Amino acid sequence: SQTIHQWPATLVQPVGSPLSLECTVEGTSNPNLYWYRQAAGRGLQLLFYSVGIGQISSEVPQNLSASRPQDRQFILSSKKLLLSDSGFYLCAWSVLGAGANVLTFGAGSRLTVL
Amino acid sequence: GQNIDQPTEMTATEGAIVQINCTYQTSGFNGLFWYQQHAGEAPTFLSYNVLDGLEEKGRFSSFLSRSKGYSYLLLKELQMKDSASYLCAASDSNYQLIWGAGTKLIIKP
Repeated sequence: SQTIHQWPATLVQPVGSPLSLECTVEGTSNPNLYWYRQAAGRGLQLLFYSVGIGQISSEVPQNLSASRPQDRQFILSSKKLLLSDSGFYLCAWSVLGAGANVLTFGAGSRLTVL
Repeated sequence: GQNIDQPTEMTATEGAIVQINCTYQTSGFNGLFWYQQHAGEAPTFLSYNVLDGLEEKGRFSSFLSRSKGYSYLLLKELQMKDSASYLCAASDSNYQLIWGAGTKLIIKP
């Protein structure tokens, strides 16, 4: 069966510090991978998605970046965090089949920037 | 533009039935999803509709009308554990999901 791991679960970082969130998927090959951010009381905002190794699409220009060094690994990074980067970050994977792009989410990483 | 609308919050009684509505506008359409999200947790998939009509899955059912850009999630025999946010998302022509802000469902005994 497929599983998705995301870490760390919680982190508190000062403004201007770097960030690295990691996500790995097991039990599937060549998944589509996603990074979302969820602010309190708002819908999920797609930050990045990837359809293969080294292929990253950015949906929202900001101080975040993503990389996919391996087929089932997706990393979200920042060189200098802003206060506005606080939020709940979710990694997800999907395999497009029969027209249904069903997303399976990791447990999430709650980031507080102070 | 692309947009999803759903109520911000609803309250219902344990054992009752509740219907959560969702209207959508997307560039192309490849289906409508409902996800459940408990506080502090990740969303989990509930249902997917791509054709008009009702899909039933246990206590939960989801309905779609493509001509009206409308869907609803119906929850029967409500239990306290159903207290959660319910997210509506529509898949556009590129199979990207457009998300609503979610409906927080409060269940009272």
